[in-house]
Amino acid sequence: RKEVEQDPGPFNVPEGATVAFNCTYSNSASQSFFWYRQDCRKEPRLLMSVYSSGNEDGRFTAQLNRASQYISLLIRDSKLSDSATYLCVVNHPGRAGYSTLTFGKGTMLLVSP
Amino acid sequence: DVKVTQSSRYLVKRTGEKVFLECVQDMDHENMFWYRQDPGLGLRLIYFSYDVKMKEKGDIPEGYSVSREKKERFSLILESASTNQTSMYLCASSPALVGQWNQPQHFGDGTRLSIL
Repeated sequence: RKEVEQDPGPFNVPEGATVAFNCTYSNSASQSFFWYRQDCRKEPRLLMSVYSSGNEDGRFTAQLNRASQYISLLIRDSKLSDSATYLCVVNHPGRAGYSTLTFGKGTMLLVSP
Repeated sequence: DVKVTQSSRYLVKRTGEKVFLECVQDMDHENMFWYRQDPGLGLRLIYFSYDVKMKEKGDIPEGYSVSREKKERFSLILESASTNQTSMYLCASSPALVGQWNQPQHFGDGTRLSIL
């Protein structure tokens, strides 16, 4: 069974705050990990891939803990434009080499002035 | 930039109709996917395709079929639309897998389908 679990939130934070989201996944064979953001009534958009060593892109830092099957996203110096739903995405290796992505239900972030 | 284009942003159909949702991508991606997204349920995979004329069932294929006659086009068909198929439908594409490593998927704008 493929599962990706996220706290649905909402996380309400003031501008400039640091906020962290967590995600757990059930399939120990998963190899690919991503964070997407989805604005209200819009399509999901790739925010960043998550690498084993952890990676940073400006104000965003993603970390992966394979032993605990846990992924995190840290946002520093939050902006109003960061308000969105953040989706944790994990691949699910399947039969005959097919591998699909499983999307978490998302964590909503609301950044206020 | 990858462009995934879905034929309609909003669509209203009647129960029992055959409905076609079209998706075209312009990046020569091998893989294409159809999802539906419902409040509280997240994105759920309906069908996917890793090559022309190839299709695989996702998690919720019942009531749907797909067609991939050309690499750039992936169509979702609701054989006989029902009210529980009212949803947001999202098409995505990605480059081929590298071993078991998935490439990120790029989404179209989505089609909000209402079945009356």
